[in-house]
Amino acid sequence: DAGVIQSPRHEVTEMGQEVTLRCKPISGHDYLFWYRQTMMRGLELLIYFNNNVPIDDSGMPEDRFSAKMPNASFSTLKIQPSEPRDSAVYFCASSLVGRNTEAFFGQGTRLTVV
Amino acid sequence: GEDVEQSLFLSVREGDSSVINCTYTDSSSTYLYWYKQEPGAGLQLLTYIFSNMDMKQDQRLTVLLNKKDKHLSLRIADTQTGDSAIYFCAEIPGGSYIPTFGRGTSLIVHP
Repeated sequence: DAGVIQSPRHEVTEMGQEVTLRCKPISGHDYLFWYRQTMMRGLELLIYFNNNVPIDDSGMPEDRFSAKMPNASFSTLKIQPSEPRDSAVYFCASSLVGRNTEAFFGQGTRLTVV
Repeated sequence: GEDVEQSLFLSVREGDSSVINCTYTDSSSTYLYWYKQEPGAGLQLLTYIFSNMDMKQDQRLTVLLNKKDKHLSLRIADTQTGDSAIYFCAEIPGGSYIPTFGRGTSLIVHP
């Protein structure tokens, strides 16, 4: 497996625009996580899914953020409208409950909102 | 407290040992982890320890677990410049499958 794949790797957008981040988890994994990383706040869990069902979105900062997982191999995180304070690195990770329940991370999407 | 806590920075000289410390929150955590993040990359599992162990050694890495104090440490022997990265401590609380991460410790290795 190629690992967790995120796209795009970098995104620069203007304030007010809609941004969609994409993630393909590792095949067979049953948990998918979206994280945001900033210098100020470190690594924040935004939302996670279990078997494609959103379980806890309490980390989503505002209603401007939404996430979907229409099938086991794809998830999106959308920000609409985007604001400069949304600038961060967004990570998707997946895991399979098992021996050590390791979380596998994608390379991240660096979002810059100007 | 509710957070996994670790110091933010550690600076060591090349060839010395590095010790990164972490305090976790849940005494029923089954697994405790150390992840490594290199510049421009995602987190990658470095090592983990099962809660019924006190120590785990893997080449230059030694993990120590003190369950009584809920303290986890990572020792890197003969630290190299390639070890410069951010190291995250993480736990999976009992009854959950969701990892909780610390803020990460930036390890800086200088000649």
